[in-house]
Amino acid sequence: DQQVKQNSPSLSVQEGRISILNCDYTNSMFDYFLWYKKYPAEGPTFLISISSIKDKNEDGRFTVFLNKSAKHLSLHIVPSQPGDSAVYFCAASAQDYKLSFGAGTTVTVRA
Amino acid sequence: KAGVTQTPRYLIKTRGQQVTLSCSPISGHRSVSWYQQTPGQGLQFLFEYFSETQRNKGNFPGRFSGRQFSNSRSEMNVSTLELGDSALYLCASSQDGTAYYGYTFGSGTRLTVV
Repeated sequence: DQQVKQNSPSLSVQEGRISILNCDYTNSMFDYFLWYKKYPAEGPTFLISISSIKDKNEDGRFTVFLNKSAKHLSLHIVPSQPGDSAVYFCAASAQDYKLSFGAGTTVTVRA
Repeated sequence: KAGVTQTPRYLIKTRGQQVTLSCSPISGHRSVSWYQQTPGQGLQFLFEYFSETQRNKGNFPGRFSGRQFSNSRSEMNVSTLELGDSALYLCASSQDGTAYYGYTFGSGTRLTVV
């Protein structure tokens, strides 16, 4: 069963504006949440993570928000740049040495 | 420092054959995990190794196996290949398997079964 869901397969945003990617999860045992970025023919690249004891984590242009009661997290990219065009994966872990991934959201940043 | 190295990058095999993929983790990383990416199923966890011990295994048939060597390098093997095994196989490494600091992925091995 899909424990991590990204319901938006694609997102188009203008350069300089904010990109907001959403992710929902069902497993209450998840305690780490991560976002990865992936270009074609490459492996995923780690962007940012958040522990379940926090509700926000920032790293440069990237901010992840966690709403545990809603089992929802989001990634904000501000400002969006052309190089941000890629597939973004939400992932979660329950301290079991594995990641459960969402299906991914393809972000296109328009000039 | 060098990243996660996966070999070969591309592979074409025939149904019924077996295949071995290799992964060299980042120096100092002792945890290696494997994932399969397909258009239909997305990224699926195969197994994780730490200090030559498998600590977790995903929901894949027994045809999929792996091992880790004392230098932390890992191999995965798929026997009796099926068309549905065509996928991008990704290896990831971390110091101890803790997810918070992220796993570093290799570029993957693209396996095509014909």
